[in-house]
Amino acid sequence: NAGVTQTPKFRVLKTGQSMTLLCAQDMNHEYMYWYRQDPGMGLRLIHYSVGEGTTAKGEVPDGYNVSRLKKQNFLLGLESAAPSQTSVYFCASSYGLGGPSFGPGTRLTVL
Amino acid sequence: AQSVTQLDSQVPVFEEAPVELRCNYSSSVSVYLFWYVQYPNQGLQLLLKYLSGSTLVKGINGFEAEFNKSQTSFHLRKPSVHISDTAEYFCAVSGNNAGNMLTFGGGTRLMVKP
Repeated sequence: NAGVTQTPKFRVLKTGQSMTLLCAQDMNHEYMYWYRQDPGMGLRLIHYSVGEGTTAKGEVPDGYNVSRLKKQNFLLGLESAAPSQTSVYFCASSYGLGGPSFGPGTRLTVL
Repeated sequence: AQSVTQLDSQVPVFEEAPVELRCNYSSSVSVYLFWYVQYPNQGLQLLLKYLSGSTLVKGINGFEAEFNKSQTSFHLRKPSVHISDTAEYFCAVSGNNAGNMLTFGGGTRLMVKP
């Protein structure tokens, strides 16, 4: 099993550009999450999904959109990137209470 | 609402010494507690978790944690650290919510010195 994979690993954007981060999991997990990690702030939840076709807002959803058209994929979109969105983005998935499995992360820089 | 406080942002310690990383949480409902480790430029790996039962939880790499409900704490301990334990450690809490989302603390950087 590959577990949770993320594409791309690194990306540099200019302010105002758009992009989509792709997360895939092969563990048949129902729940999927997008977090961002900033120094000293731990991980903060952006959006999450409790099943195919459903999404919900987390703690810091502004400026991001998500879609979960297939159970194994969870996409995170930035419509108009801003320097404040420079961060490391982690996708995770879980089946229940056991604690999610995390992907390797995407390092995004917005100039 | 729930929150997690990791009281130390950095903990320097010499190799083979014991270490304790502190974590306090607040929640109005029953909680499930987790510790994750993040090695440089990697994702997060689950160290251990408390869901129910015994309040002393053993995890991977010789780490253990004790759930103390009265003090709302879940401190992580290891009796003898190695250089390879140098990493960032995150405490997290999940309440009784749909989706089982985790709320993370700010992290503690463990620096093991030779």
